[in-house]
Amino acid sequence: DAMVIQNPRYQVTQFGKPVTLSCSQTLNHNVMYWYQQKSSQAPKLLFHYYDKDFNNEADTPDNFQSRRPNTSFCFLDIRSPGLGDAAMYLCATSSSRRGGETQYFGPGTRLLVL
Amino acid sequence: TQLLEQSPQFLSIQEGENLTVYCNSSSVFSSLQWYRQEPGEGPVLLVTVVTGGEVKKLKRLTFQFGDARKDSSLHITAAQPGDTGLYLCAGSGGGADGLTFGKGTHLIIQP
Repeated sequence: DAMVIQNPRYQVTQFGKPVTLSCSQTLNHNVMYWYQQKSSQAPKLLFHYYDKDFNNEADTPDNFQSRRPNTSFCFLDIRSPGLGDAAMYLCATSSSRRGGETQYFGPGTRLLVL
Repeated sequence: TQLLEQSPQFLSIQEGENLTVYCNSSSVFSSLQWYRQEPGEGPVLLVTVVTGGEVKKLKRLTFQFGDARKDSSLHITAAQPGDTGLYLCAGSGGGADGLTFGKGTHLIIQP
């Protein structure tokens, strides 16, 4: 029944070592989002894909990149993780661009940077 | 930039009490969603409200969207320990943009 799957659930990386987080969905949704959530804070949108169209938030650091090779998969690449990038990373999907469309979240990947 | 202010930030009450959580903004949202998030998990959608003045009920939870679509409230009647969690409101300005989240209300229901 899993709809939005994130792997791994926990990821440990070293300072400066590239890391990739994975998200897949069985909903066939057009839109996929990546959020960053730091401890005791609200999720913050990093970027989203509408189909293959990539939309970056203005304040998302260049250190964060994303790829969407097909409808089902979306990846978050952190090129050179810093200590401040330790957070929960949430993937979400929605079926359309309409305002009010439900976003379905995955369980998140908790990233630890040593 | 659209901002959502949630209050209170932390709330700890006894089982059986009632409570209300508020979500306020100076901006108009096309819709507003409430999520509940447990530690180490992603947010789970509780409700979406889209019409000004709309009231939705989900068992003991009552959600209201302000007439001007700038604010919302969540009221829980006879709170249970299972209601414990982080409650997040999130607004959508329309289109494919992601949600703007409030900082959340950490709710603890003590048995």
